[in-house]
Amino acid sequence: GQNIDQPTEMTATEGAIVQINCTYQTSGFNGLFWYQQHAGEAPTFLSYNVLDGLEEKGRFSSFLSRSKGYSYLLLKELQMKDSASYLCAVTDSNYQLIWGAGTKLIIKP
Amino acid sequence: TAGITQAPTSQILAAGRSMTLRCTQDMRHNAMYWYRQDLGLGLRLIHYSNTAGTTGKGEVPDGYSVSRANTDDFPLTLASAVPSQTSVYFCASSGEGGSTDTQYFGPGTRLTVL
Repeated sequence: GQNIDQPTEMTATEGAIVQINCTYQTSGFNGLFWYQQHAGEAPTFLSYNVLDGLEEKGRFSSFLSRSKGYSYLLLKELQMKDSASYLCAVTDSNYQLIWGAGTKLIIKP
Repeated sequence: TAGITQAPTSQILAAGRSMTLRCTQDMRHNAMYWYRQDLGLGLRLIHYSNTAGTTGKGEVPDGYSVSRANTDDFPLTLASAVPSQTSVYFCASSGEGGSTDTQYFGPGTRLTVL
């Protein structure tokens, strides 16, 4: 079967750095997405990785290792507004998006 | 720019009744999708459409139907609602289906079936 694993919840301190991990087992791989979802709102696109390595976009970076079926989202200089759920999703061989359950990130002052 | 709109924002529905959730996008995207999101589970694909006039079944299609008469609209119909269909429903669109194009989401419809 297809499976995406992420931690259910993480807590971090304002101004700090946090890494959210995602491991996947899917039928084929055509890319990995990270989305941010604030409570009661729609998911919004953060990043896309299809090749191994690190993609940096401002305070957010995303890393991919295809051989390990592993990705992480790195958030630097955390702000209170970063409190949200972070969703990992993999595009499989049929170009369908398979979604993880999301990681709820709680930022404390 | 509106992007994707969904209606209604929320609804309470009696079991056995029918309902249509509306979704409209103004980005001229070819592909559209319906997902449901339940606590502790990832987004699950209900139905999708890669282009106007075509539709396909996702992971959890039972009890739902869709149509895609034009590019902009992609309504989702529950013919006879059951309590297990209580969920938050998101409509999304992307430039091309069957590709790695980014999906953009509407604000969601919160449906409660009693």
